[in-house]
Amino acid sequence: DADVTQTPRNRITKTGKRIMLECSQTKGHDRMYWYRQDPGLGLRLIYYSFDVKDINKGEISDGYSVSRQAQAKFSLSLESAIPNQTALYFCATSPNRGTEAFFGQGTRLTVV
Amino acid sequence: AQKITQTQPGMFVQEKEAVTLDCTYDTSDPSYGLFWYKQPSSGEMIFLIYQGSYDQQNATEGRYSLNFQKARKSANLVISASQLGDSAMYFCAMRDLGSGNTGKLIFGQGTTLQVKP
Repeated sequence: DADVTQTPRNRITKTGKRIMLECSQTKGHDRMYWYRQDPGLGLRLIYYSFDVKDINKGEISDGYSVSRQAQAKFSLSLESAIPNQTALYFCATSPNRGTEAFFGQGTRLTVV
Repeated sequence: AQKITQTQPGMFVQEKEAVTLDCTYDTSDPSYGLFWYKQPSSGEMIFLIYQGSYDQQNATEGRYSLNFQKARKSANLVISASQLGDSAMYFCAMRDLGSGNTGKLIFGQGTTLQVKP
């Protein structure tokens, strides 16, 4: 099993619908992140969390919300999906000390 | 603000030859880390190599090496003896390592590498 698991892997949803992307990790890391990837723009940070009570906005948080249900779980919600939120979404974890980030497999979201 | 620039949207290389993917960065933090990730068509992000700003030697990992030129703020990835399986998108990324750092990664736009048989 992967250390960082994202569900679903692929999702097509309609404009205006609420959708949740889930991330769980077995690394035991406190730090978790949600990134969005668009062609030609690389990955950009949406939200990040240091623990269940510490959640921070990234550079592109508008239109998104998150929930850190436990150390191991970090969910990203689109309250009312719009077509320009069509993208590849990644969850990642990182240790408090250390350098490497561990990525999930990604979720391909299409909003029609 | 931190910034990563990858100026090569696409690159071609002949199988078995070496290729260099460019990355320049900008930061005012004295302590930082530089990363390269590979993203094949399946979409996952695969960690390749890491270089710390205080590391004295250039990082190497098998066929991957990082040509770190601190004064020029460049961190180019060199892939030796290219293989067909190296065809993918490659991302350069950076994070702050100073006290109070958030651990977030700043990514470049990516370079698509195609290896020709």
